[in-house]
Amino acid sequence: GNSVTQMEGPVTLSEEAFLTINCTYTATGYPSLFWYVQYPGEGLQLLLKATKADDKGSNKGFEATYRKETTSFHLEKGSVQVSDSAVYFCALSESGATNKLIFGTGTLLAVQP
Amino acid sequence: DGGITQSPKYLFRKEGQNVTLSCEQNLNHDAMYWYRQDPGQGLRLIYYSQIVNDFQKGDIAEGYSVSREKKESFPLTVTSAQKNPTAFYLCASSIGNSRNTEAFFGQGTRLTVV
Repeated sequence: GNSVTQMEGPVTLSEEAFLTINCTYTATGYPSLFWYVQYPGEGLQLLLKATKADDKGSNKGFEATYRKETTSFHLEKGSVQVSDSAVYFCALSESGATNKLIFGTGTLLAVQP
Repeated sequence: DGGITQSPKYLFRKEGQNVTLSCEQNLNHDAMYWYRQDPGQGLRLIYYSQIVNDFQKGDIAEGYSVSREKKESFPLTVTSAQKNPTAFYLCASSIGNSRNTEAFFGQGTRLTVV
């Protein structure tokens, strides 16, 4: 079945460091790919998305590129801030009749001043 | 403001009791979903509904039940048959069944069995 694999956390960085959170997927067909962010005690918010191969999603300085050849959707940010501390989830939306999201296990990012 | 409202934020249940978690949306979305979140396991789909009066089981539906009598509402009942119900429950909705559309999430309900 379809699945998403994320790098395990926690990821601890100093402010202004470069961030990469790896995400790879297994899917049949042509899924859409998403990154969601969850701040403590809250629900998930969409961070960015890409709907086809080679698309780059971007938002708030975060970027991810849909790489079909490597089945990857790695999240990057050039300079993290303390306010970026949160749990980040990679997800795919199955192609077909539904919009079910398949999530990775989440990666906790802690940014220290 | 449009959005998804889950209530209550915290819920305590005694063993053997059924409890119902509320989820209401005013986004006019057709599709609604319930996910369960446990530490280190990501989000797992419990039930989803693509249209009023219709719903399907997700990956971990055992011990749960839902109804979809109104477009805006998708309550989840955690029954006494659910052996390990302590978790964070998230409700979500989306416009429809297009794979390109994002899901919008509520703030979650944390259920604890006491």
